[in-house]
Amino acid sequence: GNSVTQMEGPVTLSEEAFLTINCTYTATGYPSLFWYVQYPGEGLQLLLKATKADDKGSNKGFEATYRKETTSFHLEKGSVQVSDSAVYFCALPTSSGTYKYIFGTGTRLKVLA
Amino acid sequence: KAGVTQTPRYLIKTRGQQVTLSCSPISGHRSVSWYQQTPGQGLQFLFEYFSETQRNKGNFPGRFSGRQFSNSRSEMNVSTLELGDSALYLCASSSRAGGPSDTDTQYFGPGTRLTVL
Repeated sequence: GNSVTQMEGPVTLSEEAFLTINCTYTATGYPSLFWYVQYPGEGLQLLLKATKADDKGSNKGFEATYRKETTSFHLEKGSVQVSDSAVYFCALPTSSGTYKYIFGTGTRLKVLA
Repeated sequence: KAGVTQTPRYLIKTRGQQVTLSCSPISGHRSVSWYQQTPGQGLQFLFEYFSETQRNKGNFPGRFSGRQFSNSRSEMNVSTLELGDSALYLCASSSRAGGPSDTDTQYFGPGTRLTVL
């Protein structure tokens, strides 16, 4: 089945710094790819998604591009804020057409003022 | 539109007991999935229900079971609780009959934090 490898954390940045969180995957076919965010004490929120190769998902200043050649879906943000402090998860379906997702291990981001 | 709701939010049980967690999906959503989140194992898929039928199942023992009602609300049950069952249990709902598409999203609830003593 499909799998995902996500950059280990924690990541600590100063406010306004550039963020990259790496995510690579192995998959049969071209499944949709997702980034979810979990704020302290909360459930998961969809941050962004991409459904086909070369698609760029974006939301709240975050971006990720579905790279077929490198099987990657790295999350980036040009200028992080303290409010971005959270845990970020990369995810994809275990196989095409299913809601059975596999999640990365999560990357904890801490942004300092 | 109200989001996914889960009750209770917190639960404390002792080993050997059983527990039932409830999930109400977004109105109109028919697919409900359950996940277990622990510091050691991360997020793991438990099962998915669609139109009262279990459509997918993860690798969990038979002590973990679920069901879905005609109004799409779902419950999961864990019998004979073990210490290792302490976790955040997350429910997610979606409207699409099939899997993810560019017009669909899986929405998560806030979770139920279960502590087994």
